[in-house]
Amino acid sequence: SQKIEQNSEALNIQEGKTATLTCNYTNYSPAYLQWYRQDPGRGPVFLLLIRENEKEKRKERLKVTFDTTLKQSLFHITASQPADSATYLCALLYNQGGKLIFGQGTELSVKP
Amino acid sequence: DAGITQSPRYKITETGRQVTLMCHQTWSHSYMFWYRQDLGHGLRLIYYSAAADITDKGEVPDGYVVSRSKTENFPLTLESATRSQTSVYFCASSGERDSNQPQHFGDGTRLSIL
Repeated sequence: SQKIEQNSEALNIQEGKTATLTCNYTNYSPAYLQWYRQDPGRGPVFLLLIRENEKEKRKERLKVTFDTTLKQSLFHITASQPADSATYLCALLYNQGGKLIFGQGTELSVKP
Repeated sequence: DAGITQSPRYKITETGRQVTLMCHQTWSHSYMFWYRQDLGHGLRLIYYSAAADITDKGEVPDGYVVSRSKTENFPLTLESATRSQTSVYFCASSGERDSNQPQHFGDGTRLSIL
């Protein structure tokens, strides 16, 4: 079965630095890979989507890369701020069935 | 306001009881989903629905029942609650299933089964 791995350890960085989160998957590549943000006590909120034929996608301070050879996606937040502190989830969408498969998430803490 | 709402936000019940979690969305999205979120497992799909009167099992459907008589509502029922069903439950909706549409989540129901 398909597995998704995100860093289980929390990532602690200093304000202004770039945060980089990793999402690795096994077996076959998904049609789409999505990133979500989740704050404590809230539901996940969609951030970015990248297709299997795209290498990189940007939105303001966010950047996502997708390497189907390495079976990995990287999620970058540049000029990080304390308000970026949250748990970030990656999710894979396959054409067959269309169901999202979520990673466990990585908690990011940005210190002032 | 438009959006997706879940009720109740918190629920405590006893083993063997039946409990229903409600989910309502105002976008007229075709697809709706139920997930549970547990430490160590992340979000796992319980059931989903492509349209009214169409439902299908996800990864962990045992012990749960769903229905979708109206597009906007997708209730989840635990027919005989067990302690292993203690979890946070999230409902989500999206306009399309096999496309790039994101899923929109409610804020969850925290369910404790004693």
